Amino acid sequence: DIQMTQSPSTLSASVGDRVTITCRASQSISSWLAWYQQKPGKAPKLLIYKASNLQSGVPSRFSGSGSGTEFTLTITSLQPDDFATYYCHQYISYSEGFTFGPGTKVDFK
Amino acid sequence: QVQLQESGPGLVKPSETLSLTCTVSGDSISSSNYFWGWIRQPPGKGLEWIGSVSYSGTTYSNPSLKSRVTISVDTSRTRFSLKLTSVTAADTAVYYCARRPPGFGMDVWGQGTMVTVSS
Repeated sequence: DIQMTQSPSTLSASVGDRVTITCRASQSISSWLAWYQQKPGKAPKLLIYKASNLQSGVPSRFSGSGSGTEFTLTITSLQPDDFATYYCHQYISYSEGFTFGPGTKVDFK
Repeated sequence: QVQLQESGPGLVKPSETLSLTCTVSGDSISSSNYFWGWIRQPPGKGLEWIGSVSYSGTTYSNPSLKSRVTISVDTSRTRFSLKLTSVTAADTAVYYCARRPPGFGMDVWGQGTMVTVSS
């Protein structure tokens, strides 16, 4: 199994802050990583795919980077709508099984 | 615009089989080069991939659940289903279906359906 970790687990921030979330894989997944945003009671929303590609319709303040085993999601200027939980997700191969990180909750400082 | 909708019983007894269906509107499972999958989320916890089916009908499942999971596509090609056998309280979760284009993350999700395992 490929294990995913995220840090921090909780992040307290203010509107306008630059926020960075880190995701690490237990083995190389090349660039096969996605990031999702989830709000309470709602389905996850795809933000980033293939590590650094912005999904259509997602604001440009979101960006992703990394390859191999270490990845980051950055929000350049946090907006009120961005307070949510963020998950990374590796999808290198079905034979390995897909896995999600444990999530990072971004809340109000 | 493609939409996904999960349906099925909200309560399942321990040791029985959980059965859910995802109805795809605005697209056909076999007409597009997509994968169609199931993901679950226990209350207050994170996401777990259960399994997926390809546009050609090939199925894949989480190794930790593989012996209990069956995913299939309806002959109408507009629905796909999940069966999870021998359920326990640990299978209580919100179950989502989702679409994944090759090379992408899961870009379209259903709203989710809560399934509780309890006698």
